[in-house]
Formats: sequence, C-alpha cells, structure tokens
Amino acid sequence: EVQLVESGGNLVQPGGSLRLSCAASGFTFSSYEMNWVRQTPGRGLEWVSYISSSGTPIYYADSVKGRFTISRDNAKNSLYLQMNSLRVEDTAVYYCVRDNRQWRWDYWGQGTLVTVSS
Amino acid sequence: DIQMTQSPSSLSASVGDRVTITCRASQSISNYLNWYQQKPGKAPKLLIYDASSLQGGVPSRFSGSGSGTDFTLTISSLQPEDLAFYYCQQSYTTPSFGPGTKVHI
Repeated sequence: EVQLVESGGNLVQPGGSLRLSCAASGFTFSSYEMNWVRQTPGRGLEWVSYISSSGTPIYYADSVKGRFTISRDNAKNSLYLQMNSLRVEDTAVYYCVRDNRQWRWDYWGQGTLVTVSS
Repeated sequence: DIQMTQSPSSLSASVGDRVTITCRASQSISNYLNWYQQKPGKAPKLLIYDASSLQGGVPSRFSGSGSGTDFTLTISSLQPEDLAFYYCQQSYTTPSFGPGTKVHI
C-alpha cells in the first residue's frame, strides 16, 4: 500500500524557517517524481514545488522561489521542503504528492499544517 | 499562467441524480486535465486524468469529457458518499487548479 506521511508542520513567526519531511513507503520511491502542494481556505489548492526522481530538475512556484528548497533522499525514501523567510501567506496545509507522469498526482499524504503568525 | 474556472461553485442534488460540473481553461490545454475529489478533512483523491481516463479503483459512475478549453465531470447517479469538493487541475504547463465545486447531497 502506497503511503506518504508528512511531518514538521508547526507554528512559526514571520521570517522564520521550517523543514517539512515526507516519508514514503509501499512503492519504489526512487522511480517517481514528487511534489509539494499546499491548500488554504482563501487561495485553494496551489502547487509549490517539483523534484524529479533523480533530484534534478527542480521547479518552484513563483510565490516561493528563492525562499523554499525541495530535496529528496532516495536511500531514505524521503522528501523534504526547507522553508525560509516564511510569510503569513505561507500559512497552509502542505501535502506531499506522488507524480505519475506530467503533473498527474495519484497519491497524496494526509497533510501537515504550517501556521505563520506573530 | 493558465487560469482555471469552475461552475457551479456549489450545487445541491439528490441521491440518484445526474450531476455535471464544468471546468474552463484560459487557453487551450488539449486533454491535459485532471479531476480530484476532496472529502471533508481528507486529502484530494485523483478521479479522472487526461480529461476522460478513469483512475484505478474509482467507481464507473464518474466520467470526464472535453478537450481544448472546456471540460466536464459527470456523476451519473449521485451517491451519499459523493458529498465532497471537486477540483479540476490543468497539467499542460505549470499546474494550476480550479476553485472547486462543493456538492451537497
């Protein structure tokens, strides 16, 4: 059974940093591209970042470019999102998502809540 | 960036009804259109990919159609467990979602 389990969400002050992790199991992690997608009540669902199965190429949404860094460790079956210079508008539930060819997202984690507030 | 719109934003229907949700892209996206269902408190779930292909394990009462800029998701006979939000997502370029349609039973 495919499982994606996110962790690392928390309350952080504006300008702070946070690192999200996603533990994958039930499939050959190193064969799949992965993404982070976030959701807020106000802005809905928003793609955040993509990483290929090998680690490059990597893409970011304009809203997080230069502040967020996606990475993966195929030996540990894990995906990461380093988030720096956090803003109030980064408050969201962040989902780890498996990519089954060209932005077709067939498995999602349960999500982890990031709250940016003073 | 490609903008996605959906209509209606919400709908109320009865068990057994045929339900249709429309999604429109701001430019042609061929058939690069996916549909997701999100139940309360859960992550989105892939229903339809490439506009009309049913994802494995999804009931056959769900179907999708369209190409270019106009797409539809149809539930042929609404069931109580179909209470959810439904989102379209274009996969032609940098992905983007529609705002969602809430289906009330």
